[in-house]
Amino acid sequence: GAGVSQSPSNKVTEKGKDVELRCDPISGHTALYWYRQSLGQGLEFLIYFQGNSAPDKSGLPSDRFSAERTGGSVSTLTIQRTQQEDSAVYLCASSFRGIRTEAFFGQGTRLTVV
Amino acid sequence: AQTVTQSQPEMSVQEAETVTLSCTYDTSESDYYLFWYKQPPSRQMILVIRQEAYKQQNATENRFSVNFQKAAKSFSLKISDSQLGDAAMYFCAYRSKAAGNKLTFGGGTRVLVKP
Repeated sequence: GAGVSQSPSNKVTEKGKDVELRCDPISGHTALYWYRQSLGQGLEFLIYFQGNSAPDKSGLPSDRFSAERTGGSVSTLTIQRTQQEDSAVYLCASSFRGIRTEAFFGQGTRLTVV
Repeated sequence: AQTVTQSQPEMSVQEAETVTLSCTYDTSESDYYLFWYKQPPSRQMILVIRQEAYKQQNATENRFSVNFQKAAKSFSLKISDSQLGDAAMYFCAYRSKAAGNKLTFGGGTRVLVKP
């Protein structure tokens, strides 16, 4: 596709349920990132993929959070047993390898836990 | 660990005037990049400008320019001739190979443009 695509755009879930958030990166981008943005706040790093490997998952807040990437492309962020504090916008970004390259962001998934 | 600090939660500017956003960072590395991203209400993060640490010349992109002071670890963004479409959140970000290629963001500055 032309850009980074995330789905769903919005998700409302009940506390205790599991949710899956999907990210389709730009074709050819080997690096993929997940960030969390609470209302009016900055971006909190969650996890970084290079290909299908995750060399840095230091930002995952608890073991309820996990992510995978398959085929060097699509990534899924899973939150188990959701809590109200998980409510936020989850942003995905992708880029070519290298620190100079521009990271392109999706429009995010707004997760609301009720 | 690298940290990025934006000390101005909000800045207001009159249309056609100039506004400068502050950003400081902490690192012991010598090879890194700095970025400014814009996030309008649509949530779409857009790259505004980037600066390589090894380049002394400040980057410029049309009405946007930076003042990069490496020794002071300062990376401010100047928006000239401000337009209504410049109203957004602006995030400063740091990226280095040693830090694993991830972007580390500041807390953001909201820019309001008054007509």
